[in-house]
Amino acid sequence: DAGVIQSPRHEVTEMGQEVTLRCKPISGHNSLFWYRQTMMRGLELLIYFNNNVPIDDSGMPEDRFSAKMPNASFSTLKIQPSEPRDSAVYFCASSPTGSRTYNEQFFGPGTRLTVL
Amino acid sequence: DQQVKQNSPSLSVQEGRISILNCDYTNSMFDYFLWYKKYPAEGPTFLISISSIKDKNEDGRFTVFLNKSAKHLSLHIVPSQPGDSAVYFCAATPFGNEKLTFGTGTRLTIIP
Repeated sequence: DAGVIQSPRHEVTEMGQEVTLRCKPISGHNSLFWYRQTMMRGLELLIYFNNNVPIDDSGMPEDRFSAKMPNASFSTLKIQPSEPRDSAVYFCASSPTGSRTYNEQFFGPGTRLTVL
Repeated sequence: DQQVKQNSPSLSVQEGRISILNCDYTNSMFDYFLWYKKYPAEGPTFLISISSIKDKNEDGRFTVFLNKSAKHLSLHIVPSQPGDSAVYFCAATPFGNEKLTFGTGTRLTIIP
């Protein structure tokens, strides 16, 4: 039973380049979440989707960040242009509506992004 | 503005003893709380939760206590085992809301 799949696991890029992070949620899960983890701020929610529709993007830091969910099995988080302060671990998580344990989210392994 | 705070970045506990991890929140709308555990190079995994209608929830070696008046919750691990060494995140949400607000995490190290 595959969990949440993220790619790439590691990304090193130069300032100004476009970065695309990918996520495949667990099959049957209705909600998908993008988080960023930093030492200073812990896990911050960037955006979440329900049934492929963006519900809350108030955590997206600025216009350089965008996210899409074209179908129930795929989502992308894009940063263009990237900056060194975007360096962090980015997690994708999914959850089923009406889960046994309310609001339990299942996380992927994360993408470690380094912007030089 | 951190609405969920974990003021201890790290904690070391001897194997077999009790580990107590603390979490404070400021938003009065939060009424459902969760703890997640994270190993290096892995995503966080759900550990235990508690609703505001309770003040305690127990699952094996893990117990979460909620003090609503103090806006404080704690996770107790008894007895602590080496496999418990990980980063623990506290999270909170208003009931009926999918959006979780996480703390900054506490790194727990169990000393054999």
